[in-house]
Amino acid sequence: SYILSQPPSVSVAPGETAMITCGATNIGSKSVHWYQQRSGQAPLLIIYYDSARPSGISDRISGSNSGDVATLTINSVEVGDEADYFCQLWDMSSGDVVFGGGTKLTVL
Amino acid sequence: QITLKESGPSFVKPPQTLTLTCTFSGFSLSTNGMGVAWIRQTPRQALEWLSLIYGDGSKHYSSSLRDRLTITKDSPKNRVTLTMTVMDPSDTGTYFCAHSPNYWRFATWGQGALVTVSS
Repeated sequence: SYILSQPPSVSVAPGETAMITCGATNIGSKSVHWYQQRSGQAPLLIIYYDSARPSGISDRISGSNSGDVATLTINSVEVGDEADYFCQLWDMSSGDVVFGGGTKLTVL
Repeated sequence: QITLKESGPSFVKPPQTLTLTCTFSGFSLSTNGMGVAWIRQTPRQALEWLSLIYGDGSKHYSSSLRDRLTITKDSPKNRVTLTMTVMDPSDTGTYFCAHSPNYWRFATWGQGALVTVSS
């Protein structure tokens, strides 16, 4: 089955840029979605189709996808960005929806 | 505004069957391309997709769990039901339903329902 690899944790200071990766073979050929999950809450879609932002999502958040890596970038990180972030896609070959293991973003 | 809410038992004994209901508002499953999915989150916080049903009646299941899952819809009542058979303690987790407007993305999620499987 298709496996999405995310770093377990990323730490940045306030105001810095956080980059969270999601790796898999030829992931650039697939559409990747990203979710933010704050503690005790349901996941929230923050990026879809690699780089599109739903209404109401800050423009500090952006996404890209090429080759074997999709990347979620959060500029000017704030304390409120502290959360778990998950990448997700649909694997046509298996018919499965696949989630990455999640990355915990800590704002120092 | 789209909202979804999961309902069902909080505790299940192995090997009982779990039945969860998702009641939603703000969209119609009768609309082309609309879907409702079930996703669970383990105690270790991993997300696992379970199933998705579209308004046209097409159903999709996780390849690893398809033998245990059944998803149905009641479009007039805005409800989607998931049944999972032969529940095991490893099935303990929070079960979410989510709105899928198209192409396998989950735009709005319910608050989740915690299900504990224990004898």
